[in-house]
Amino acid sequence: NAGVTQTPKFQVLKTGQSMTLQCAQDMNHNSMYWYRQDPGMGLRLIYYSASEGTTDKGEVPNGYNVSRLNKREFSLRLESAAPSQTSVYFCASYKGQTNNEQFFGPGTRLTVL
Amino acid sequence: RKEVEQDPGPFNVPEGATVAFNCTYSNSASQSFFWYRQDCRKEPKLLMSVYSSGNEDGRFTAQLNRASQYISLLIRDSKLSDSATYLCVVNSEDSSYKLIFGSGTRLLVRP
Repeated sequence: NAGVTQTPKFQVLKTGQSMTLQCAQDMNHNSMYWYRQDPGMGLRLIYYSASEGTTDKGEVPNGYNVSRLNKREFSLRLESAAPSQTSVYFCASYKGQTNNEQFFGPGTRLTVL
Repeated sequence: RKEVEQDPGPFNVPEGATVAFNCTYSNSASQSFFWYRQDCRKEPKLLMSVYSSGNEDGRFTAQLNRASQYISLLIRDSKLSDSATYLCVVNSEDSSYKLIFGSGTRLLVRP
């Protein structure tokens, strides 16, 4: 039981390049999330998927797209990376009931030059 | 005003000390409250949920004050291993599926 896995762990991009961050969970959770974490800013929600087949914008969606491929997988795409997207990205999953915790993946450290 | 506000610290305490963190939240309709712990360069992990009546888990006690809209975390008999950032978390006003994270309070426990 791996929980939430993310790939890659580290990535360096040049401005304008594109990439997709992958996330998968094996806990049969309904909801999945993408956050970014910047120093002093806490975790900010980019997009989430309350259930398979649905996606919704979070607090900071600009510059990102997501795909809920199936119940297990939720990917985050940067179409044209910008230095402002340098951050640590965390994927999380959630069973969907009040007071059940969100489980986080280990994170992807992205640097955009 | 931020939806969830915390003192960033750091709180620098000796081993064995008792330390308390507070957190305020803006959404009076929030129903779910949590403390998460985050170690340096690691993912956040749930420390404990916070219930209306208050709850305790070993050396950790969480309290909720709905009238004043704040949450507290008390750590007794601090250990070196308690050094981490503690995140206060509440559910979003527009969806129970969404959580709002505070920026965190950093705790350093020294020998």
